[in-house]
Amino acid sequence: KQEVTQIPAALSVPEGENLVLNCSFTDSAIYNLQWFRQDPGKGLTSLLLIQSSQREQTSGRLNASLDKSSGRSTLYIAASQPGDSATYLCAAFMFSGGYNKLIFGAGTRLAVHP
Amino acid sequence: NAGVTQTPKFQVLKTGQSMTLQCAQDMNHEYMSWYRQDPGMGLRLIHYSVGAGITDQGEVPNGYNVSRSTTEDFPLRLLSAAPSQTSVYFCASSYSPPGLGGVDQPQHFGDGTRLSIL
Repeated sequence: KQEVTQIPAALSVPEGENLVLNCSFTDSAIYNLQWFRQDPGKGLTSLLLIQSSQREQTSGRLNASLDKSSGRSTLYIAASQPGDSATYLCAAFMFSGGYNKLIFGAGTRLAVHP
Repeated sequence: NAGVTQTPKFQVLKTGQSMTLQCAQDMNHEYMSWYRQDPGMGLRLIHYSVGAGITDQGEVPNGYNVSRSTTEDFPLRLLSAAPSQTSVYFCASSYSPPGLGGVDQPQHFGDGTRLSIL
């Protein structure tokens, strides 16, 4: 079964700390991996997408890496701010039986306190 | 620019009732999708559409119907509500197939409908 797992489920850090969010997937035959942000009561906002041929993508203070061989992706947030508080979800785009599937993890709920 | 608009934002139903969750987008996107989000689980695809008149099932379609008569609208119908359908429902639209557009052509999500079935 194709699954995407995110650990930890919740994380609380002081402002200014650098942090890493983890995402693992069971199928190395992924096409790409995305990271999303979800604010309370809101939908998802796409942050970064890494193609399977790439190793990492950067956007501002965010850096996402992809290691297909180990089935892992990480989202690195530098110098965290209270405004970074949200739930972060990863999603792997996979081909399965001729059907394209975007499989989401359950998310990591991040709280950055002043 | 409204983006993706979902109505209602909250709804409480009794078991066996039917209802329609509305979704409208004003970006002329061909691709539209319905997801449900349950505690401790990732979003799961219910139904999707690749254009007006074309719909298909996703991962968890049972108990739900969809239609796509216009590019703008993609309503989700619960035929006979069950407690297992208590969830937060998200509609999304995109220019590219979901998962392929990335941050340049992302999926745009609505703010969700929180549905409770008693």
